Amino acid sequence: EDKVVQSPLSLVVHEGDTVTLNCSYEVTNFRSLLWYKQEKKAPTFLFMLTSSGIEKKSGRLSSILDKKELFSILNITATQTGDSAIYLCAVDSNPFGNEKLTFGTGTRLTIIP
Amino acid sequence: NAGVTQTPKFRILKIGQSMTLQCTQDMNHNYMYWYRQDPGMGLKLIYYSVGAGITDKGEVPNGYNVSRSTTEDFPLRLELAAPSQTSVYFCASSYYYEGRGSYEQYFGPGTRLTVT
Repeated sequence: EDKVVQSPLSLVVHEGDTVTLNCSYEVTNFRSLLWYKQEKKAPTFLFMLTSSGIEKKSGRLSSILDKKELFSILNITATQTGDSAIYLCAVDSNPFGNEKLTFGTGTRLTIIP
Repeated sequence: NAGVTQTPKFRILKIGQSMTLQCTQDMNHNYMYWYRQDPGMGLKLIYYSVGAGITDKGEVPNGYNVSRSTTEDFPLRLELAAPSQTSVYFCASSYYYEGRGSYEQYFGPGTRLTVT
């Protein structure tokens, strides 16, 4: 059974701190790893990672994938209160050409002003 | 584009009642999905569809049915509601490019369903 594990489950930091969120996975047919940010409602897409060692960046957020050790990290620098959210990691494992995303339980990030 | 829209936003059902959760996307996406999210848990795939007329079960399909008669619409039907189906339901869509590999999914705003 495919598995995605995120850590920590929750994290509380002060504004301006840097945080690192972790995602490890065990899947039978890895295609890509995706990060989502979920505030009050639907998840919104952040990054899609398919190759090891290539950092993706978007403003203060960055992410990297290690396909040998089967994990990814999401970094947020100079955190702001608007970064408070649940961050979801999902892995696309696609054995027969059909879509299958397995999600982790998420990391709840709270930024204190 | 409105993206992915879902109705209703909230619903309370009594045990044994039936209802249909509506999902529509206007991005001409071929893939559509239904997920449920329970408190403190990740998203779990209920059903998905790779195109009009083609649907398949996900991880937790029991108690649900779907149909995909058009590219735009992917309704989720609960026939005999049970308290275990109390959850937040998300519909999503994506466009699959042959040979490109993976792609991001666009999510609707969710439907909060309570079964009592």
